[in-house]
Amino acid sequence: SQQGEEDPQALSIQEGENATMNCSYKTSINNLQWYRQNSGRGLVHLILIRSNEREKHSGRLRVTLDTSKKSSSLLITASRAADTASYFCATVIQGAQKLVFGQGTRLTINP
Amino acid sequence: ETGVTQSPTHLIKTRGQQVTLRCSSQSGHNTVSWYQQALGQGPQFIFQYYREEENGRGNFPPRFSGLQFPNYSSELNVNALELDDSALYLCASPPPQRGSSTDTQYFGPGTRLTVL
Repeated sequence: SQQGEEDPQALSIQEGENATMNCSYKTSINNLQWYRQNSGRGLVHLILIRSNEREKHSGRLRVTLDTSKKSSSLLITASRAADTASYFCATVIQGAQKLVFGQGTRLTINP
Repeated sequence: ETGVTQSPTHLIKTRGQQVTLRCSSQSGHNTVSWYQQALGQGPQFIFQYYREEENGRGNFPPRFSGLQFPNYSSELNVNALELDDSALYLCASPPPQRGSSTDTQYFGPGTRLTVL
C-alpha cells in the first residue's frame, strides 16, 4: 500500500515558472525524501529532510516538512525543460527498512 | 551516475516462466533493496538483503526470491510469472559517501519486464 499521496498527479507549466508539488503521509517518519524519475527509468535522489527539520534548500529546490500535518512540499524554482519528469516523495517509516513511495507527480515543462 | 547497474535492460517472458534479474553496486555497501514499479505507480518495496540475508520483505509472495553475493551483486528471481508481474524492477543501495544517511538510496536504471 502507498504511504504517501502526491498532489497534483500531473502538472504542466511554462519554462521559467515555479512548480510546487505536495506530499501527504500517514505514519510517523524518520525522514522524507524526494526523487525524480525520467521516462520510466531509475530514480534519482534529490533531497532528504529529517523529521526535526522544517525547511531545506538545494540549488533550485526547496522542501518543507510539516510533521503536525504529515505533509511536505517540493518547490522547483525557475523551471527548465530538463525538469520534465515524475517526482516522488518517499518516507522511511520508523523501525522499518524500506522506502515507501507515493504515486508521484508528473511534471511537464513547456518551452 | 549512481554506480548501480542492472541487467538486462528489457526482458520479455511468457506466463509461467521463471526470470532472474541482476544488480551490481559499486558502493561497497552491504545492503541492497529491490522494488517493483508498475506503470503509472510509485515503486513498491519487494525485499532487502543485508550481508547476504533477507532483512525485511514487502507484500510479495514467496515466488519472489533473492540472493546477495559477497561481491555486492544481487539477484531477483521470480517464478511462475503472472501477467501482473509486468513492471519496472529497480534495485537500490545506499550511497558510498561517509556521513550520508543510509536511508538515501541510489537506484539502478531498472529492468523492464514484460510478461505475455
